[in-house]
Amino acid sequence: EAEVAQSPRYKITEKSQAVAFWCDPISGHATLYWYRQILGQGPELLVQFQDESVVDDSQLPKDRFSAERLKGVDSTLKIQPAELGDSAMYLCASSLPGGYYEQYFGPGTRLTVT
Amino acid sequence: TQLLEQSPQFLSIQEGENLTVYCNSSSVFSSLQWYRQEPGEGPVLLVTVVTGGEVKKLKRLTFQFGDARKDSSLHITAAQPGDTGLYLCAGAPLNDYKLSFGAGTTVTVRA
Repeated sequence: EAEVAQSPRYKITEKSQAVAFWCDPISGHATLYWYRQILGQGPELLVQFQDESVVDDSQLPKDRFSAERLKGVDSTLKIQPAELGDSAMYLCASSLPGGYYEQYFGPGTRLTVT
Repeated sequence: TQLLEQSPQFLSIQEGENLTVYCNSSSVFSSLQWYRQEPGEGPVLLVTVVTGGEVKKLKRLTFQFGDARKDSSLHITAAQPGDTGLYLCAGAPLNDYKLSFGAGTTVTVRA
């Protein structure tokens, strides 16, 4: 069964350092999402791509976060510099365009900033 | 303010009992999804409800979409420890592509 791949699964970094997360969506899924999730809460959308174009990045803290999906397939989310408040689970999801917004999530990257 | 309000926030029951989780909004949705998330993992899609009044069953799980498409519920019959997890509802309001998630209900089923 096709799955969304994410790496790394866990990342510990010191504040002010740079960190990057990678996501490979399900083949054929043109829409890709990055979410941040605080423990015990629902995911919060950071950025949404349609192919290589950003559709929504209104909740992305652009002073320190950046995201790209250069060839419209895999994607990278970067934080520079990391802050203590960035500690969270970072989830990637993908879906077919249109339809009923059914998203398929990867296993996530648990980030701890010390 | 959350677009989708889930209740209760926490639910702890004994194995074999039934439970219901609610997802409410003042907005009308074209569809709603329910996900289950286990600790340290990503959410897994359980079901999508599309039609007002629709009822879908997935083994011991029953999902209902309100007639006005503003609310949904998830009912679990004879809960098992394997049902433990964070249950999330999600959807995009009519004429808006932005998908929102509820804050989730943490369900614990004790053996």
